[in-house]
Amino acid sequence: ETGVTQSPTHLIKTRGQQVTLRCSSQSGHNTVSWYQQALGQGPQFIFQYYREEENGRGNFPPRFSGLQFPNYSSELNVNALELDDSDLYLCASSLVGTMNTEAFFGQGTRLTVV
Amino acid sequence: SQELEQSPQSLIVQEGKNLTINCTSSKTLYGLYWYKQKYGEGLIFLMMLQKGGEEKSHEKITAKLDEKKQQSSLHITASQPSHAGIYLCGADRSGTASKLTFGTGTRLQVTL
Repeated sequence: ETGVTQSPTHLIKTRGQQVTLRCSSQSGHNTVSWYQQALGQGPQFIFQYYREEENGRGNFPPRFSGLQFPNYSSELNVNALELDDSDLYLCASSLVGTMNTEAFFGQGTRLTVV
Repeated sequence: SQELEQSPQSLIVQEGKNLTINCTSSKTLYGLYWYKQKYGEGLIFLMMLQKGGEEKSHEKITAKLDEKKQQSSLHITASQPSHAGIYLCGADRSGTASKLTFGTGTRLQVTL
């Protein structure tokens, strides 16, 4: 098992609302990335946070935003939720800056927008 | 178009049989990651390959990366029901480990 934990595990929101998902990275890791995974597809990269700043972004609109805290934990915020945002959201942590480039994922948050 | 292609998309094998899953990239990779996923759950890290020609094994699973670092294979020997799940390859093109591009996955079923 990895040390990456996500909360909550499941969430139901109404279209137009805002949601915050949380990720606690593995001890010793300094980078967190967020992914969106639709059913039957591979995860799609949303963005990465390193040293509390966004360090790369995939093809997602600005209503997807994030934060990284000094303890390297992270939040994913989604504003103005749409029905299509209903997916599994995964975070991954890694240690950038060394030769150890393993990336470990959390169990995910299942978001349902109704 | 997908930058990372996995084949086959699904696979049904009898317990005890060997199987191979392939992952092909249109571009040279910095690293190639293999993960296993149970339906609706997180990704379980299997192996990471960085060097051309590299091969790694863990229990009954062996992963290889070709010399050009564009193609990888995952081989399972003597499959067991516990091997069932979705296998995903992820391409690292930036060297930052967690900006990965994934294939669509291979769904493996192991029958008794």
